[in-house]
Amino acid sequence: DAGITQSPRHKVTETGTPVTLRCHQTENHRYMYWYRQDPGHGLRLIHYSYGVKDTDKGEVSDGYSVSRSKTEDFLLTLESATSSQTSVYFCAIRKQGADEQFFGPGTRLTVL
Amino acid sequence: KNEVEQSPQNLTAQEGEFITINCSYSVGISALHWLQQHPGGGIVSLFMLSSGKKKHGRLIATINIQEKHSSLHITASHPRDSAVYICAVSDSNYQLIWGAGTKLIIKP
Repeated sequence: DAGITQSPRHKVTETGTPVTLRCHQTENHRYMYWYRQDPGHGLRLIHYSYGVKDTDKGEVSDGYSVSRSKTEDFLLTLESATSSQTSVYFCAIRKQGADEQFFGPGTRLTVL
Repeated sequence: KNEVEQSPQNLTAQEGEFITINCSYSVGISALHWLQQHPGGGIVSLFMLSSGKKKHGRLIATINIQEKHSSLHITASHPRDSAVYICAVSDSNYQLIWGAGTKLIIKP
C-alpha cells in the first residue's frame, strides 16, 4: 500500500459545473501525476507535479487545471465539466530517481 | 503509430493454459513496466525490468532490449488472473508511455 487516496471515489455532475478531484499521499514523494483512462485508450497523462507549486502539462491537459500547495495533496480541477471528461481518473506518485509509479484507487467521474 | 503496442488486445483461454502477452515499443526506454488492473479495480505494478527476466509466482516477464520487445507469461492460468494487463515504458524523464492493454479472460 503506497499510501495514496483519491476523493471522491465516484461523482456524477452536470455539464458546466466545476469539479475538483483530490489526490492525497502519505509517502512525501516529490512527483505526482493525474491520468485519465478511457475505453480503447491507454492511460493518458493530464498534468503532473514535480514539487510544491511546480506543475506541468501532459498530453491531454485542455480543460483541466491542477494545484499543489502541499507535498501531500495534488488537486485536479475541471473548471467547467463537459461530457467528454466522463472518465476514470487515476492519481499516481513516484519517488525521485525511481521509475516505478504507484497508483491511487481511481475516481469515476460522470458528466451528464 | 503508437509508441507502445500490445498484442493481443483480447485473449480468452481455459483455466490451466499458458498465457503470453506481448509488448513492442519504438522509443528509447529506461525501464519497462507490466501492470495489472482487475475489473473496476485499481492499477497494480507487477514488474519493472530493464533487462533479462523476472519471475513472481506464476508470472514471468522477459525483455529483449535489442528487439524492443517484452513478453508477460502466466503459467497454470486461473480465473482470478482475469484482468487487463498493461505494458508501459519509462522514457529518460521517467514519464510513462502506455500501451492500450490486453484484456485477459480465463474460463474455469
